[in-house]
Amino acid sequence: GAVVSQHPSRVICKSGTSVKIECRSLDFQATTMFWYRQFPKKSLMLMATSNEGSKATYEQGVEKDKFLINHASLTLSTLTVTSAHPEDSSFYICSARDLRENGYTFGSGTRLTVV
Amino acid sequence: LAKTTQPISMDSYEGQEVNITCSHNNIATNDYITWYQQFPSQGPRFIIQGYKTKVTNEVASLFIPADRKSSTLSLPRVSLSDTAVYYCLVGDTYGGATNKLIFGTGTLLAVQP
Repeated sequence: GAVVSQHPSRVICKSGTSVKIECRSLDFQATTMFWYRQFPKKSLMLMATSNEGSKATYEQGVEKDKFLINHASLTLSTLTVTSAHPEDSSFYICSARDLRENGYTFGSGTRLTVV
Repeated sequence: LAKTTQPISMDSYEGQEVNITCSHNNIATNDYITWYQQFPSQGPRFIIQGYKTKVTNEVASLFIPADRKSSTLSLPRVSLSDTAVYYCLVGDTYGGATNKLIFGTGTLLAVQP
């Protein structure tokens, strides 16, 4: 089945620095990818829709200047958390749709800890 | 986007059949119903998808009544490894559609020995 690879799986960074998370569709092309954030014992919250070759669409309340999304190719979307703060510590998950299959495929997630 | 409502948690024992029901009163004509499973610190994993009546695959069955305002995920003979959060989602996600999915609260299934 379809595979979405997310990297890194975990990262620790200092407050004020930026962190980039990559999401790759390994065996299919994805013009659209999605980024979610999940806090402990909570559900996934959609942050933004990443569109290949165009600007991302952010959900209400998500700061687009803080969470930079780039979808430069049909197999890669990146999420950059800029000027990270401890409250940005969370589990970030991406997903994409392989049109040959039902449902969406999710990456394994990135655990971000800001200290 | 149709909102879904599920029980927050359920308990079961190994070997039992578990049925998790989800209500989605505002489901749209083009919406499909999809269930995902999530283990701690992992991304959700697709379980099953359906539009109406019954769908069965190697891991689960999905029952959808004629009005499509609810659906039931059935897990036969659960084991300890089925302990996870199960999410019911509705959306236009079939064929060429790549619409966003909004997650509800999910159901935490705890399977005991």
